[in-house]
Amino acid sequence: EIVLTQSPGTLSLSPGERASLSCRASETVSSSYVAWYQQKPGQGPRLLIYRTSTRATDIPDRFSGSGSGTDFTLTIGRLEPEDFAVYYCQQYGMSAITFGGGTKVEIK
Amino acid sequence: EMKLLESGGGLVQPGGSLRLSCAASGFTFRAYAMAWVRQAPGKGLEWVSSISESSGSSKYYADSLKGRITISRDNSASTLFLQMGGLRADDTAMYFCAKGSSPYPRGSHWDVWGQGILVTVSS
Repeated sequence: EIVLTQSPGTLSLSPGERASLSCRASETVSSSYVAWYQQKPGQGPRLLIYRTSTRATDIPDRFSGSGSGTDFTLTIGRLEPEDFAVYYCQQYGMSAITFGGGTKVEIK
Repeated sequence: EMKLLESGGGLVQPGGSLRLSCAASGFTFRAYAMAWVRQAPGKGLEWVSSISESSGSSKYYADSLKGRITISRDNSASTLFLQMGGLRADDTAMYFCAKGSSPYPRGSHWDVWGQGILVTVSS
């Protein structure tokens, strides 16, 4: 199975700052099938980005995704108070889907 | 509005069985792949199982759970199921169902998620 490693584990930032979250795969992800999800306490995950860089419905344009092969990045342009949460990357190019361990974006 | 509502969780003894249900509304259930994902307390997301659209002819399971779980769907009732057996303490988790973006799990991102249902395995 493809192992996804997210870094950093925790990102401490202030509202208005830019966040850059990394997701590295143990092998090339087929067809750039990488998605990013946001999860807040007590809630199910929310799809932000799919196919590496396509924003999901109603996702603000401060969220952007990039990358290819084994290295992928989620960037949050200017953090809003509601963006402080945990973010997970996922690969879905194989029948065995895998998630990264998550990056917590916390208020500094 | 597309919604998913899980049910059937609770406290079960080690070695016991449980069937989770996920009721879907607001979309044509039979047309999409569906999945189960779990999250142990304080931990990250772990994919459990996926099933293809309509007949559900394609089913996939995480290696760690294979042989102990069965995924199925009832399109007439717009409901997804997860039958779990031989439950262990490390199966304790919140279980989420999710809707795929296409008929088949491979290449399908998950665009609608439920709120989850808690399964606790303990004596």
